[in-house]
Amino acid sequence: GIQVEQSPPDLILQEGANSTLRCNFSDSVNNLQWFHQNPWGQLINLFYIPSGTKQNGRLSATTVATERYSLLYISSSQTTDSGVYFCAVDTGRRALTFGSGTRLQVQP
Amino acid sequence: NAGVMQNPRHLVRRRGQEARLRCSPMKGHSHVYWYRQLPEEGLKFMVYLQKENIIDESGMPKERFSAEFPKEGPSILRIQQVVRGDSAAYFCASSPASAKNIQYFGAGTRLSVL
Repeated sequence: GIQVEQSPPDLILQEGANSTLRCNFSDSVNNLQWFHQNPWGQLINLFYIPSGTKQNGRLSATTVATERYSLLYISSSQTTDSGVYFCAVDTGRRALTFGSGTRLQVQP
Repeated sequence: NAGVMQNPRHLVRRRGQEARLRCSPMKGHSHVYWYRQLPEEGLKFMVYLQKENIIDESGMPKERFSAEFPKEGPSILRIQQVVRGDSAAYFCASSPASAKNIQYFGAGTRLSVL
C-alpha cells in the first residue's frame, strides 16, 4: 500500500514563529487532507488539497502531486496551534492512509 | 448542519464484554468510515460502508469486529469479547457521494478495556 511520511516528527516553537510541515507520499493520490488533532483529541479539517495551493488565515498548504509531497505552513504561531498535524491520502479506494503526524508544541 | 456525531464519547468495558460504538454521519452524507487510533499513533483505516453495504473491510481484524450501516439509524461498530489491546480511540468519518471524498470526522469514542 501507499506510504505516507511526515516530518519533522516533533517541533517546538516560540509563539509568533513560522513553521513548515512536510508530507511525502509514495504513489499518486486522488485526495489529500491535512488535519489538526487538538489536545482534546478532536480531528479538525484544515485543507482538502490534492494539488495546488490554498490559504486559510495563518495557515496555507501546497501540494505538488507530480513530485508526491505536500507542505503545510503555519505563520505567526499561537499556543492554540499546539497538537498533532496529520496528512492523509486516498489513492482511489476512498480509505484514507494517515501519516504518523507532526507533534507541535507552541510555547508562550 | 450538525457534524458527525459519535457516542458514547468514553466507554469502559471489562475483558470479555461487548462494545458498541455508534456513528451518525453528517446530513446528506451516505458514506461512512471507521478508523482506529492507538496511543501515540496515527489513525488506521478499518472499514468503509454505504447504506446497507460494506464496501471495503480490508482494515478490520478478522475476528470479533463487525460493522453495519443500516437503512435507518446510525452506523454501528461492534467489538465482541473485548481484550486489553482493543483499548484505543475509534473515529468515524463521513463523506458525500462525490468524487472529492472529503472526509469529516467525529470526536471519537475512547474505549478502555479493564
